[in-house]
Amino acid sequence: SAVISQKPSRDICQRGTSLTIQCQVDSQVTMMFWYRQQPGQSLTLIATANQGSEATYESGFVIDKFPISRPNLTFSTLTVSNMSPEDSSIYLCSVKQVGYEQYFGPGTRLTVT
Amino acid sequence: EDQVTQSPEALRLQEGESSSLNCSYTVSGLRGLFWYRQDPGKGPEFLFTLYSAGEEKEKERLKATLTKKESFLHITAPKPEDSATYLCAVLGLLYGGATNKLIFGTGTLLAVQP
Repeated sequence: SAVISQKPSRDICQRGTSLTIQCQVDSQVTMMFWYRQQPGQSLTLIATANQGSEATYESGFVIDKFPISRPNLTFSTLTVSNMSPEDSSIYLCSVKQVGYEQYFGPGTRLTVT
Repeated sequence: EDQVTQSPEALRLQEGESSSLNCSYTVSGLRGLFWYRQDPGKGPEFLFTLYSAGEEKEKERLKATLTKKESFLHITAPKPEDSATYLCAVLGLLYGGATNKLIFGTGTLLAVQP
């Protein structure tokens, strides 16, 4: 399976600021995704990062709040904009290759104060 | 609406004490059911994919089974290093078409004591 890295691994941010999270894969993948894992809750899909076009967002998530880029087949970024304490969460990228299963990165733990 | 429920929320076992974790699901057109292991501070690690009722997959002390309504993750003679949160997810059909959206349960936190 692909090796996935994320930067930063964790951060503490002030309310009202923005943070960009990077996801790097060691091989080209067809599909990349961004999930959120809030404390005590299940993983929730934020959006599918599409290469060369706008991301596809799930219900409850909007581009102004979570802009996503995917400039090539190995890299994507997720920005959490105008943060509030409710955005404190673990953000995970995942990739899908040949089969249905998705492989996850190590996550970015975000705390908003 | 697709839904996944895992039980128990937490399970404490003695080393060598076998048990099972449950994942109940409702989904429109199951395309796959997935088990992941998640250690503290890390991303989920893929374990198994099950596609149809009656299917079983094994890996070391773990065996996953699938029926039309639920899946079980059987842990045989667990060791302390099996301690982790085990997540179940399903992939179904959306409006009769393909989707890549995994629906996750909230997980079972397993603690195996020596």
